[in-house]
Amino acid sequence: DTEVTQTPKHLVMGMTNKKSLKCEQHMGHRAMYWYKQKAKKPPELMFVYSYEKLSINESVPSRFSPECPNSSLLNLHLHALQPEDSALYLCASSPRTPPEQFFGPGTRLTVL
Amino acid sequence: GQQVMQIPQYQHVQEGEDFTTYCNSSTTLSNIQWYKQRPGGHPVFLIQLVKSGEVKKQKRLTFQFGEAKKNSSLHITATQTTDVGTYFCAGNYNTDKLIFGTGTRLQVFP
Repeated sequence: DTEVTQTPKHLVMGMTNKKSLKCEQHMGHRAMYWYKQKAKKPPELMFVYSYEKLSINESVPSRFSPECPNSSLLNLHLHALQPEDSALYLCASSPRTPPEQFFGPGTRLTVL
Repeated sequence: GQQVMQIPQYQHVQEGEDFTTYCNSSTTLSNIQWYKQRPGGHPVFLIQLVKSGEVKKQKRLTFQFGEAKKNSSLHITATQTTDVGTYFCAGNYNTDKLIFGTGTRLQVFP
């Protein structure tokens, strides 16, 4: 298996909802990443997990909560989001440093 | 802080014309990577450059890394409609973090 999968593909949620995004890779990669991408902008790094431990948090608001249950799985828990959090959320994994990234297809999130 | 800028922001070319995008870092890079994102798609890794002055080719694509390891370029010869998308450079400063450039959107007219 040489791909990163993400579910769901699309998500619409209200500002009081709690939802989770899921990312999975079975390539044995040691690092996993969450990015946020707004339209016509580059991906912005949110979190990095290295060997299942959180190694980088780019000062992301606490309404976004990452979790790495095992080396293949990465979750992003969402709670009390704002409409400006609407974006494409991309997961990526990398096998080594320097970290070439293998991206999943993303979850397109809309917050109403 | 570390910043990676790209120019131009947009480029429209006729099919068959050449295309170049330039990437500049505010500080010296450990390495630089290039990604392509098709409209509605996700970024796809193209290549990584590590050595000062390095040049790599992939068919019609030529990638260069500057001598000072602060700039890079991607040149596409004889563009095709399949080259349409946004090209991002991404700088690495010897950590697990990539800093993506601002991107160049390429449109190719048949």
